[in-house]
Amino acid sequence: GQNIDQPTEMTATEGAIVQINCTYQTSGFNGLFWYQQHAGEAPTFLSYNVLDGLEEKGRFSSFLSRSKGYSYLLLKELQMKDSASYLCAVADYGGATNKLIFGTGTLLAVQP
Amino acid sequence: SQTIHQWPATLVQPVGSPLSLECTVEGTSNPNLYWYRQAAGRGLQLLFYSVGIGQISSEVPQNLSASRPQDRQFILSSKKLLLSDSGFYLCAWSRGLGELFFGEGSRLTVL
Repeated sequence: GQNIDQPTEMTATEGAIVQINCTYQTSGFNGLFWYQQHAGEAPTFLSYNVLDGLEEKGRFSSFLSRSKGYSYLLLKELQMKDSASYLCAVADYGGATNKLIFGTGTLLAVQP
Repeated sequence: SQTIHQWPATLVQPVGSPLSLECTVEGTSNPNLYWYRQAAGRGLQLLFYSVGIGQISSEVPQNLSASRPQDRQFILSSKKLLLSDSGFYLCAWSRGLGELFFGEGSRLTVL
């Protein structure tokens, strides 16, 4: 079956660093995505990992270990606007396309 | 550039009424198209995806259906809504194995 786990909520302070973890057990694996979703809005793409290691993009970095079924999203120099839900999604190949299987998301609250 | 639009943005429907949500993509051809649903406090659940006109794959058995009458048009329908159909419906597109780009979402409340 498909199982993607991430913490439900996290709180961090403005200017700090926060790490959001994601573990997965899926029948297929074609990469792992992280999306950001502000309340009432559609998700927006943050990062994609298909090979083991760290991908850095500005203040955001994402890490993947396929052997451990584990990923994390690292947010540095937190800003108030980073308060949002962060969704981990595993891509499972579904015949000419990726089917993204999403976790329930981690609601991050950034406090002053 | 590519854009995706879905409508209506918000709707309130009585139980047993029909539903039609429409999604169109502009600026690309032969996109892969998806319908997701997000219930309150829950993750995104994949409902349907399509890799071409008339080709629909269903992920979850339910009283919803999807159709793709044109290359860049994806429609989500129901003949009779249930209370449990309430949620935030998101249309998305992708190229092959790439990332998903989401529409603005349609919030459905079934009373």
